[in-house]
Amino acid sequence: EPEVTQTPSHQVTQMGQEVILRCVPISNHLYFYWYRQILGQKVEFLVSFYNNEISEKSEIFDDQFSVERPDGSNFTLKIRSTKLEDSAMYFCASRTYGGATEAFFGQGTRLTVV
Amino acid sequence: GIQVEQSPPDLILQEGANSTLRCNFSDSVNNLQWFHQNPWGQLINLFYIPSGTKQNGRLSATTVATERYSLLYISSSQTTDSGVYFCAVERGTYKYIFGTGTRLKVLA
Repeated sequence: EPEVTQTPSHQVTQMGQEVILRCVPISNHLYFYWYRQILGQKVEFLVSFYNNEISEKSEIFDDQFSVERPDGSNFTLKIRSTKLEDSAMYFCASRTYGGATEAFFGQGTRLTVV
Repeated sequence: GIQVEQSPPDLILQEGANSTLRCNFSDSVNNLQWFHQNPWGQLINLFYIPSGTKQNGRLSATTVATERYSLLYISSSQTTDSGVYFCAVERGTYKYIFGTGTRLKVLA
């Protein structure tokens, strides 16, 4: 069964460093998402991406964040200068199109900023 | 925006017991999914169920969209069912709003 894969599964980084989280969505999917879950809290929407541009972003997704689909298969989330409060689980998701379809979530990247 | 509430917040069961988890949402939705977050933090898709009933092994789910709730049934629970169960809904825009979760612990 096709699945969304995320790498790495766990990343530790120093405060102020840049990190790139990687996702490979399901191949025929057109919509891509990043969500975030701070430890012990609920999962929150960060950004959606369609047709090589951001469709919607939350107020969490400030100028420190960016997304890219660099090569037609990967979908990346970059945090330019990490803060302690960026420590969280980050989930990538994809779906075929934006209507009444199931979203498939990856198993997450745990980011720890020290 | 839409509010998603789950109950109970915490649940402890003996292995073999059955349980019902509930998800209430404050407005009509186009999509609804249930997820299991295991103790390692991984999010597992359980059901895509904007309406109707589905079953998958010991798990089943029902969504009554007109009454704005969904139920997840777990029968003959096992220790591997432990974790947090989330429902997530979409209304209008193509992004999920997650509920607060039900933390389940199944004791051997």
